[in-house]
Amino acid sequence: GESVGLHLPTLSVQEGDNSIINCAYSNSASDYFIWYKQESGKGPQFIIDIRSNMDKRQGQRVTVLLNKTVKHLSLQIAATQPGDSAVYFCAENSPSGGGADGLTFGKGTHLIIQP
Amino acid sequence: DTAVSQTPKYLVTQMGNDKSIKCEQNLGHDTMYWYKQDSKKFLKIMFSYNNKELIINETVPNRFSPKSPDKAHLNLHINSLELGDSAVYFCASSHRQNTEAFFGQGTRLTVV
Repeated sequence: GESVGLHLPTLSVQEGDNSIINCAYSNSASDYFIWYKQESGKGPQFIIDIRSNMDKRQGQRVTVLLNKTVKHLSLQIAATQPGDSAVYFCAENSPSGGGADGLTFGKGTHLIIQP
Repeated sequence: DTAVSQTPKYLVTQMGNDKSIKCEQNLGHDTMYWYKQDSKKFLKIMFSYNNKELIINETVPNRFSPKSPDKAHLNLHINSLELGDSAVYFCASSHRQNTEAFFGQGTRLTVV
């Protein structure tokens, strides 16, 4: 079935450096994508979203890039801070394989910020 | 105020028991969801409900049933709990389907 996946399960960067988390999706019908951050013991927290009619969107220290040609999504975090350490998920809007509407999540990337 | 709250945060129970997890949202959203997160952190949707229609992921056993007493609540009932049901369950809500979802803090269910 179609799925959303991440290239790297763990990413370690030095504090202050920029980080890039990548995500590949396979459902060409998806038109809405979200990045979530999940800290230990907490629920996923919205970071930034992008619709398929855009290829770039910026927030505070974060940028999401969407390449529909190769079905690729990335999250760039500038000047990483210790508080950025978390698991990051990309998610897309599409019916799940079993038919329940809602977001389909990728497998997650654990971002570790080294002091 | 917490936007999406679920209780309990931790739940330990024996196999075969029946349990419920409660969820409430104060965002005025129309759609609520239940997600399951396994030990590898993979998040998968179980149900979506918008007070008109319940959509069930076909992989979810019928031992799991959502109950919505009103628009702000979507509780999860689980019958005859099995070891494989151990996971973290997240409630979420959104203004409408397929838009940004706001998540609760999760309920860690452990079946022993």
